[in-house]
Amino acid sequence: AQSVTQPDIHITVSEGASLELRCNYSYGATPYLFWYVQSPGQGLQLLLKYFSGDTLVQGIKGFEAEFKRSQSSFNLRKPSVHWSDAAEYFCAVGLSPGYSSASKIIFGSGTRLSIRP
Amino acid sequence: DTGVSQDPRHKITKRGQNVTFRCDPISEHNRLYWYRQTLGQGPEFLTYFQNEAQLEKSRLLSDRFSAERPKGSFSTLEIQRTEQGDSAMYLCASSPGQGDNNEQFFGPGTRLTVL
Repeated sequence: AQSVTQPDIHITVSEGASLELRCNYSYGATPYLFWYVQSPGQGLQLLLKYFSGDTLVQGIKGFEAEFKRSQSSFNLRKPSVHWSDAAEYFCAVGLSPGYSSASKIIFGSGTRLSIRP
Repeated sequence: DTGVSQDPRHKITKRGQNVTFRCDPISEHNRLYWYRQTLGQGPEFLTYFQNEAQLEKSRLLSDRFSAERPKGSFSTLEIQRTEQGDSAMYLCASSPGQGDNNEQFFGPGTRLTVL
């Protein structure tokens, strides 16, 4: 069955420090991968997405993610975090080949990011 | 604001009551999705519409749940005879429905509390 695993429930980093949030997926075909961010009282916002091509994907707010097929991973990174990055982050996979957004998205359980001043 | 809107934002109800939520997608988006998110979990897919047609329903959507999109624009999600286990955030998303890499745009959600 398709699944997404985010092994870290809660991470705290100091402002200005680098960040890496881990994500592993299980899916039989080429995955379509996403990272979303959710702030309290806000809807889910797409940070970045991978469909094909370059395995290093650039997103909004200075985030990037790298798709590693051999490790079934799609980790999210940011070189220097800001206090405003504190939020819940969700990794997700789109399920059908040729994903056309008609398919449902399977989300991980999320990683809560706290920023230490 | 031209994003996805949901109403109400919060709903408190007693067990056994019926509730209805509304979602207004981004204008001209022909695909609309409902997800449910419980505390500490990621959103779980419930159902999706292509225009007015409901094309997929999750097994999570019991007989007490019904969703409609009568004119292919806004959608409603009704829960009958609510149970405490229905307490969750109900998220709506929409997408243009064209191309292979459409992003799903999410609304702020409706938080349901069943007492």
